[in-house]
Amino acid sequence: KAGVTQTPRYLIKTRGQQVTLSCSPISGHRSVSWYQQTPGQGLQFLFEYFSETQRNKGNFPGRFSGRQFSNSRSEMNVSTLELGDSALYLCASSLAGALSGANVLTFGAGSRLTVL
Amino acid sequence: AQSVTQPDIHITVSEGASLELRCNYSYGATPYLFWYVQSPGQGLQLLLKYFSGDTLVQGIKGFEAEFKRSQSSFNLRKPSVHWSDAAEYFCAVGAKNQGGKLIFGQGTELSVKP
Repeated sequence: KAGVTQTPRYLIKTRGQQVTLSCSPISGHRSVSWYQQTPGQGLQFLFEYFSETQRNKGNFPGRFSGRQFSNSRSEMNVSTLELGDSALYLCASSLAGALSGANVLTFGAGSRLTVL
Repeated sequence: AQSVTQPDIHITVSEGASLELRCNYSYGATPYLFWYVQSPGQGLQLLLKYFSGDTLVQGIKGFEAEFKRSQSSFNLRKPSVHWSDAAEYFCAVGAKNQGGKLIFGQGTELSVKP
């Protein structure tokens, strides 16, 4: 069974540009969550999508957005990049949605974004 | 507010020695608790989880954790550490109606001496 696949694994952008990251969940998983990991702030929840609907959202500015497609694949977009957006962006998928009980996340390897 | 505290930023243990990583949480409702491990350049791998029931949970790679409600703790233990256990360990808390939204601790980096 294939795991969670994130692309690209590494990318370099400059300030002001925008970036789109992709996440393919485990087959059958309908929930996709996104996290930002930085040395200073640690792991922070960005948002969660379930059945193409955003179910949960963290405390990030509107420059961070996401979407989910009918095949459960998800993308996140960051517009007008800032130096502080340099981070490892992790995607995680799970069987259950926000209103379910136990929700076990399986993480991908992440997309390492560097903003120059 | 929900929070997770891992008091130890970095721990070094000798190979074969026992290990305990501490985790304290602050959460109003009954928490779902997790331990994840992250190797350099990799994503997070689930070691174990607690939702309810027996407060001592067993995980992969010989790890176990004990939920102590009175102390708001969920410490991770391993009786004998292997060099391959060197990694960063994260404790996280979630809830029934929070889906994929987990609150993570800052992590504990484990080094293993030969």
